[in-house]
Amino acid sequence: VQLVESGGGLVQPGGSLRLSCAASGFTFRTYWMHWVRQAPGKGLTWVALISSDGRTTNYADSVKGRFTVSRDNAKNTLYLQMNSLRAEDTAVYYCVRNVECWGQGTLVTVSS
Amino acid sequence: EIVLTQSPGTLSLSPGERATLSCRASQSVSSSSLAWYQQKPGQAPRLLIYVASSRATGIPDRFSGSGSGTDFTLTISRLEPEDFAVYYCQQYVTSPWTFGQGTKVEIK
Repeated sequence: VQLVESGGGLVQPGGSLRLSCAASGFTFRTYWMHWVRQAPGKGLTWVALISSDGRTTNYADSVKGRFTVSRDNAKNTLYLQMNSLRAEDTAVYYCVRNVECWGQGTLVTVSS
Repeated sequence: EIVLTQSPGTLSLSPGERATLSCRASQSVSSSSLAWYQQKPGQAPRLLIYVASSRATGIPDRFSGSGSGTDFTLTISRLEPEDFAVYYCQQYVTSPWTFGQGTKVEIK
């Protein structure tokens, strides 16, 4: 079972970024998936979830209207489209299956 | 939203000692859908305990979880050098998932 995030990097305030999470070793299409983030030196904060079929999504209030979670079950990949980025979105972003499997994270830095 | 409060913020102990970490919820966590994680610098969180008291795969039996309702505890029976880290509790019974602010277990 493995989750590998990618797509992080440095972006200016107001910019956009799309994160990907490649899943392997399990039947991806049967699991709800989550994004969780961790600002530098801070704790863990849940960001978004998506149902196994992609029809149900939910977001933290802090990202609602700016972030969109999606998935491609044929490609075993989870996505997080992040728009209108702010300095406070700077964090390591983890994709998570249930509670037991976390990726290694990808760092997003929002700065001019 | 369920707020989780962990105590203490920092625990200073020596190897071989017993560690007791607390997690209190602002409302009942039904089905005991509470997890504990260990996190070391530069690493992703590692699941230790789920449904309040079940050890995850490969977790040593010196780690144990207990509690129900609003009060939960993680106990490390005898601290090993690799156990010094930050520990988080999390509830996953409702969306949004919420996490405690963490307890740092440091070497005394």
